[in-house]
Amino acid sequence: RKEVEQDPGPFNVPEGATVAFNCTYSNSASQSFFWYRQDCRKEPKLLMSVYSSGNEDGRFTAQLNRASQYISLLIRDSKLSDSATYLCVVTLSGSARQLTFGSGTQLTVLP
Amino acid sequence: NAGVTQTPKFRVLKTGQSMTLLCAQDMNHEYMYWYRQDPGMGLRLIHYSVGEGTTAKGEVPDGYNVSRLKKQNFLLGLESAAPSQTSVYFCASSYFSGSEGNEQFFGPGTRLTVL
Repeated sequence: RKEVEQDPGPFNVPEGATVAFNCTYSNSASQSFFWYRQDCRKEPKLLMSVYSSGNEDGRFTAQLNRASQYISLLIRDSKLSDSATYLCVVTLSGSARQLTFGSGTQLTVLP
Repeated sequence: NAGVTQTPKFRVLKTGQSMTLLCAQDMNHEYMYWYRQDPGMGLRLIHYSVGEGTTAKGEVPDGYNVSRLKKQNFLLGLESAAPSQTSVYFCASSYFSGSEGNEQFFGPGTRLTVL
């Protein structure tokens, strides 16, 4: 079983749509959680951290459910520029900040 | 600031050849990492370093060696390249900080093909 599992997609949605991505992680000792964004043939970049209380950054909302070991990302009012692969990432406590990546969910926003 | 840079950007090797990938960061970060990314598998950690002169193995270290002689540089070596090492290699760096995880900054990647 992969440590971090994501639905690979692809998700093809029209502009303005709301889309949600889910992610599950297997290690209950996971400490920190993130969503990274990776554009085609580019490097990953941090989109947002995910906190237990949930957090929002503009059109993006991230949620964490530690009991179910589940992370989600909601994108509202999708833009063409949101087209990318979204990587779910977790790290263990005291693990020298080693990130464990999911394989990513591909999103294409259509005009 | 250039951030994290990697050289070369592309390379084609023959089986058995050796090469070194260079990563440099100008953000004074303590931690540096080497990952490989293969289709459908996400990024996997090869080796990492928590400071100048230190290195440690990650998830997939076999066939690779690393060195961190200077804080700003992290080198990844392939002593005898194999086709299974065809991949995109990313270097990353981050601050040493408190209990929360912190952002890793990635270089643009090196696309390596081993024939």
